[in-house]
Amino acid sequence: SQTIHQWPATLVQPVGSPLSLECTVEGTSNPNLYWYRQAAGRGLQLLFYSVGIGQISSEVPQNLSASRPQDRQFILSSKKLLLSDSGFYLCAWSAGTTNTGELFFGEGSRLTVL
Amino acid sequence: GDSVTQMEGPVTLSEEAFLTINCTYTATGYPSLFWYVQYPGEGLQLLLKATKADDKGSNKGFEATYRKETTSFHLEKGSVQVSDSAVYFCALMDTGRRALTFGSGTRLQVQP
Repeated sequence: SQTIHQWPATLVQPVGSPLSLECTVEGTSNPNLYWYRQAAGRGLQLLFYSVGIGQISSEVPQNLSASRPQDRQFILSSKKLLLSDSGFYLCAWSAGTTNTGELFFGEGSRLTVL
Repeated sequence: GDSVTQMEGPVTLSEEAFLTINCTYTATGYPSLFWYVQYPGEGLQLLLKATKADDKGSNKGFEATYRKETTSFHLEKGSVQVSDSAVYFCALMDTGRRALTFGSGTRLQVQP
């Protein structure tokens, strides 16, 4: 069966520090991968998605970047965190070939920038 | 661009009451529509979906009908239970897209 792992689960970082959130998927090949941010009262905002290694689509201009160094690995990064980067970050995957719209989400990473 | 608008919560109901959570959308193509649910302490999971106009998605007693004429996909359940307490997200995937656009979520609280 397929599983998705996301870490760290919680993170407290000072303003200006770097960030790296990692997500890996097991049990499937060539998945579509996503990073969403869930902010209070604002629902889920799509940050990045990837349909293959090295292929990243950015949805909103911001202080974050994403990379996909391997087929089932998706990394969210920042060189210098801002206060506004605080939030709950969710990684998700979907089947690459059929893509019915069903996304499978990780447990999330709560980031607090102080 | 695509967007999804949901009624604001929280929605508080007594057990066995009727539930409606409104959802309307804006899309440029012919989107598929979804409801996702997030139970306390858990990740989001798909509840139901509909891929074309007039389709009805259903699961766990919940239903939603894809209404193209009103661009709506309202979630309904005839008799809610305490275990239905969760945050519900309406979402769409537009033609040619590979990502979902989500609404802001509606928190449902069911009291015994």
